[in-house]
Amino acid sequence: DAKTTQPNSMESNEEEPVHLPCNHSTISGTDYIHWYRQLPSQGPEYVIHGLTSNVNNRMASLAIAEDRKSSTLILHRATLRDAAVYYCILRVSSGTYKYIFGTGTRLKVLA
Amino acid sequence: EAGVTQSPTHLIKTRGQQATLRCSPISGHTSVYWYQQALGLGLQFLLWYDEGEERNRGNFPPRFSGRQFPNYSSELNVNALELEDSALYLCASSSSSWGQAGELFFGEGSRLTVL
Repeated sequence: DAKTTQPNSMESNEEEPVHLPCNHSTISGTDYIHWYRQLPSQGPEYVIHGLTSNVNNRMASLAIAEDRKSSTLILHRATLRDAAVYYCILRVSSGTYKYIFGTGTRLKVLA
Repeated sequence: EAGVTQSPTHLIKTRGQQATLRCSPISGHTSVYWYQQALGLGLQFLLWYDEGEERNRGNFPPRFSGRQFPNYSSELNVNALELEDSALYLCASSSSSWGQAGELFFGEGSRLTVL
């Protein structure tokens, strides 16, 4: 199965940018890269996704390496409300078709 | 528009009993996914239903089963409950399947406690 690898935890100061890395060296050409985050006591919520090109939305930016074996979620200005577990997952499209969640990165935002 | 709804919010059972969890997807979504999240851990894929059919299942024993109804709502059944089945069970729905990016929308989960 395709899998992702993320650091267990990261810290950031409030109002500073945060770069959350993810390795997915076994990614296939049709696999989408998704990011979700899970706030305490809530279900995960969608953040952003991409296939090959970098993507921006109101929540974050996604930078995808040229070989697609890694990606980085960028929060431009971290707030206390961004403290959550961030999951980088692959949306596998070949045959099995499922979303593979890793263990995620717990982001702590310091005031 | 209503989001993904799950019931019950909390469920307490004893070992050997059966648990049934329910999920209503967002209107228009045909795919439903079930995940198990043990305390402090990541999400483990359980089952995927699309258009009423089971399309894929994760590495869980057969006592974890489910179904999807004609209105696309879904039910997860766990038979012969064991203590390690205690977890948050999350349901997610998606509007697309093959060939699309497929953003997932999650419910708030059903917390199952097995005593």
